[in-house]
Amino acid sequence: QVQLVQSGAEVKKPGASVKVSCKASGYAFTNYYIHWVRQAPGQGLEWTTMINPGGGITSFTQGFQGRITMTRDTSTSTLYMELSSLRSEDTAVYYCARGDRYGNFDYWGQGTLVTVSS
Amino acid sequence: QSVLTQPPSVSGAPGQRVTISCTGSSSDIGAGFDVHWYQQIPGAAPKLLISGNNYRPSGVPDRFSGSKSGTSASLAITGLQAEDEADYYCQSYDSSLSGVVFGGGTKLTVL
Repeated sequence: QVQLVQSGAEVKKPGASVKVSCKASGYAFTNYYIHWVRQAPGQGLEWTTMINPGGGITSFTQGFQGRITMTRDTSTSTLYMELSSLRSEDTAVYYCARGDRYGNFDYWGQGTLVTVSS
Repeated sequence: QSVLTQPPSVSGAPGQRVTISCTGSSSDIGAGFDVHWYQQIPGAAPKLLISGNNYRPSGVPDRFSGSKSGTSASLAITGLQAEDEADYYCQSYDSSLSGVVFGGGTKLTVL
């Protein structure tokens, strides 16, 4: 069965970086986009970025420009999202989700809580 | 502020029917991009409820249905059950932003 398993919770100081992983299984890894959606405490869902099957970043929200790096390891079917220059407003649960170019997220990871605090 | 507009909350008694609206613009829903709906139980990851405007993925009860017209979409839930109490989000794509967009979410309370 399709599964997306994410790395554990992180606590970081402002200005630091965080790297979250998302390991995919149960399907052809390169056939689907992987998106990252975050949810701040008590808030709604916010789309941040996506990586296409070919491995290149397709798009990201303006607030992440220059701060986000997406990589992948096809040998282990694992995606990595690294966010730098962390600020308190980056505190959120970060989800990876499988979808197409326009969303339509049919499988989600369990979420990774990233806390940014001094 | 979300690109897609949803009511913050809706409520209904068990067995009743409720609808949740999702209003967009000419660069997202009105441009022909599909609308998808997600259900999120507090503390859990979102779950795909309606795909491609009106398609129910396997396992989703037929009490849930979606529709789309012009720059808006709606999610209807009939025969409300206590287990339907959750947050619901609509999602589409915006050509001017070149990215995925969500509604702000609607909290459904089953009275």
